[in-house]
Amino acid sequence: QKEVEQDPGPLSVPEGAIVSLNCTYSNSAFQYFMWYRQYSRKGPELLMYTYSSGNKEDGRFTAQVDKSSKYISLFIRDSQPSDSATYLCAMRAMYNNNDMRFGAGTRLTVKP
Amino acid sequence: SQTIHQWPATLVQPVGSPLSLECTVEGTSNPNLYWYRQAAGRGLQLLFYSVGIGQISSEVPQNLSASRPQDRQFILSSKKLLLSDSGFYLCAWIGGAADPRKAQYFGPGTRLLVL
Repeated sequence: QKEVEQDPGPLSVPEGAIVSLNCTYSNSAFQYFMWYRQYSRKGPELLMYTYSSGNKEDGRFTAQVDKSSKYISLFIRDSQPSDSATYLCAMRAMYNNNDMRFGAGTRLTVKP
Repeated sequence: SQTIHQWPATLVQPVGSPLSLECTVEGTSNPNLYWYRQAAGRGLQLLFYSVGIGQISSEVPQNLSASRPQDRQFILSSKKLLLSDSGFYLCAWIGGAADPRKAQYFGPGTRLLVL
């Protein structure tokens, strides 16, 4: 079993749809959880950052962490064609900056 | 503000040739620096990281090497490229003292094709 599991998709939705992206993990030591957005042939850019369990909202994006279930989600409301990208989840333990674990990424296409 | 640069953006090299990819960070001091490789359809593989000048940790045994000659410069090298070295190479850094989140920030990447 991989330490971080992420459905690779591809996921295709119509413009305006609510998108749900998810990752599961097995290491209970993970405390910091991140979502990155990666456009084709570009480097990943940090989208959301959360610590421990709970929700965090930033505009159309909401990140949720459920540590009891070892499950994190990214919701995109009112999705736009410009949201078409690959979304990577990432996580790490508290005292190990150098050991970041990434999901394989979910490719999302938002059709106009 | 902090900025990370990588060059070249794209590189096509024959098998057996040498490699040198460069990464520089601006606007921060003493960052932790990372080299990742991203193969098509696969996740990010950590290759090397550095916590300071001359300090390199290798995560996977291979024909690649890394060096950190200056505080904000990280170089990925190879003496002889293999076909399997093809991929998208990403440099990343951890935010400094001003960024308590310690999230990794990535450069634009170098696409390497070994023929």
